[in-house]
Amino acid sequence: EPEVTQTPSHQVTQMGQEVILRCVPISNHLYFYWYRQILGQKVEFLVSFYNNEISEKSEIFDDQFSVERPDGSNFTLKIRSTKLEDSAMYFCASSSQVGGGGELFFGEGSRLTVL
Amino acid sequence: AQTVTQSQPEMSVQEAETVTLSCTYDTSESDYYLFWYKQPPSRQMILVIRQEAYKQQNATENRFSVNFQKAAKSFSLKISDSQLGDAAMYFCAYRSGGSQGNLIFGKGTKLSVKP
Repeated sequence: EPEVTQTPSHQVTQMGQEVILRCVPISNHLYFYWYRQILGQKVEFLVSFYNNEISEKSEIFDDQFSVERPDGSNFTLKIRSTKLEDSAMYFCASSSQVGGGGELFFGEGSRLTVL
Repeated sequence: AQTVTQSQPEMSVQEAETVTLSCTYDTSESDYYLFWYKQPPSRQMILVIRQEAYKQQNATENRFSVNFQKAAKSFSLKISDSQLGDAAMYFCAYRSGGSQGNLIFGKGTKLSVKP
């Protein structure tokens, strides 16, 4: 069964460093998302992406964050200069259908630890 | 702003018994969708069941059913004939009908199933 895959599963980085989290969405999906979950808190929406551009983003997704689909298969989240508060589990998701009722398929997550 | 509340951080059920997980939400919108996602330990979130707000009939998927009370803004999940494989974190989520992907999650309920 097709799955969304994410790498790395766990990354430890120093504050101020750049981090790139990678995701391979399900192959025929056109809509891509990043969510994050800080330990003990809710899963929060970061950004959605369609047709090579951001279609929606949250207040969390500031200038420190960027997304791109560099090669037609990977979907990446870049954090330019990590802060301690960026430590979280980051989930990638994809869907074949846009709009409220569409099912999102999630990856297992990438745990980011900022020291 | 929309919010989703899950008031039960943890629940436990005996195998083969029935359990109900609670979820309430707050919104002023009329067009929206509600979801229950399941996240087994160290695995990705998967969709259990979804409900369109405009449908009065409660959604059902095999052993999983919801009790959707629109006026009360309540969306509980009932798991019948609980199985060991049902042990997981369960997240209630809301999405606006016009949203491009912004799922709003509750904090989750950790369900344990006792043999």
